[in-house]
Amino acid sequence: AQSVTQLDSHVSVSEGTPVLLRCNYSSSYSPSLFWYVQHPNKGLQLLLKYTSAATLVKGINGFEAEFKKSETSFHLTKPSAHMSDAAEYFCVVSDRADSWGKLQFGAGTQVVVTP
Amino acid sequence: NAGVTQTPKFQVLKTGQSMTLQCAQDMNHNSMYWYRQDPGMGLRLIYYSASEGTTDKGEVPNGYNVSRLNKREFSLRLESAAPSQTSVYFCLTGHLNTEAFFGQGTRLTVV
Repeated sequence: AQSVTQLDSHVSVSEGTPVLLRCNYSSSYSPSLFWYVQHPNKGLQLLLKYTSAATLVKGINGFEAEFKKSETSFHLTKPSAHMSDAAEYFCVVSDRADSWGKLQFGAGTQVVVTP
Repeated sequence: NAGVTQTPKFQVLKTGQSMTLQCAQDMNHNSMYWYRQDPGMGLRLIYYSASEGTTDKGEVPNGYNVSRLNKREFSLRLESAAPSQTSVYFCLTGHLNTEAFFGQGTRLTVV
């Protein structure tokens, strides 16, 4: 069975500074990993996904994440935070050995961006 | 292209009332899921359906029933609503190795 742990429930950054959201997972040999963003009172939007191609994954809005198998991590980063990045972020793992692909969500990280 | 259509968007129920949340997808995916979202807990799986005609329990199935009517539709029923079922509900579809596609969510309040 897979699981995912988001190490920070809240992250506060200043506009223009880097953002780091940490995610550790446990899964089978071949997980798929995703980051989703949810703005207030909105649905969830896919930021990026890892599905066994390049370990450094680039997503929308300047975000990227690196899959590190040895550390079982999939941390999300952005070089320079924007006010519009204030939202909740979810790390998600899916076990590709699981034939029907159940998604396991982390508890979420709330990002606050200050001027 | 509607993608995933989920209804209703908002609902207020009294304790003990019943209701059905509807979900339909036009993406021809086999798998469909119902999740609930609660503050500080992420999204938790209630029920899932790997294919038409099959359903199975997820992490938090108590108090819910589901029906996979056909490949397109997957409904979630609350037979006797309780305040603990106050939550935001999301229907998802997708398949292995790709992203999940979300409905817009149903904000349910049970008073």
